[in-house]
Amino acid sequence: EAGVTQFPSHSVIEKGQTVTLRCDPISGHDNLYWYRRVMGKEIKFLLHFVKESKQDESGMPNNRFLAERTGGTYSTLKVQPAELEDSGVYFCASSPWTSNLYNEQFFGPGTRLTVL
Amino acid sequence: AQSVTQLDSHVSVSEGTPVLLRCNYSSSYSPSLFWYVQHPNKGLQLLLKYTSAATLVKGINGFEAEFKKSETSFHLTKPSAHMSDAAEYFCVVTGRRALTFGSGTRLQVQP
Repeated sequence: EAGVTQFPSHSVIEKGQTVTLRCDPISGHDNLYWYRRVMGKEIKFLLHFVKESKQDESGMPNNRFLAERTGGTYSTLKVQPAELEDSGVYFCASSPWTSNLYNEQFFGPGTRLTVL
Repeated sequence: AQSVTQLDSHVSVSEGTPVLLRCNYSSSYSPSLFWYVQHPNKGLQLLLKYTSAATLVKGINGFEAEFKKSETSFHLTKPSAHMSDAAEYFCVVTGRRALTFGSGTRLQVQP
């Protein structure tokens, strides 16, 4: 079974440019999460999809970030325009739908974003 | 609200010696706690989880952790370190907004 995949693995862009990160969850997983780790700090929650619906986007830092999950399969996270403080590693995770909130989440390897 | 504190940012041990990675948590309710590990260029992998069953939890690769409510701790241990254990380890508590992570402990294993 394929794990969570993320593309690209690395992205280097200039301030003001746009970048789109992609996450493909494990097939059949309804829950999809985005997290971010900035400059060696804690990994922080960004948002949570259940299928194509945003369940919780309270962790999104500002309106320069837009996440979508059309069709309830893969998800994209767009940063437009990118700022220096957006640099970090963006992780995606997925899990099966269950009423138990404490199940394991399966993580992808992350996308390392560098904004110059 | 919940939070996690990993008491050591770096731990270095010799191969074959015990490993102790320390984690303290704060939660306004009975939490579930996890340890995840990240090897270079890999995704985060679940090592073990505590979900209010047995307080001593056994995980993969010989790791285990003990939930101590009185000390609000969930330290990760392994009797004998292996070179392949070198990685970054994260203590995680469940919360209303998905998972809350500690800042991570980087484990070095010396030959």
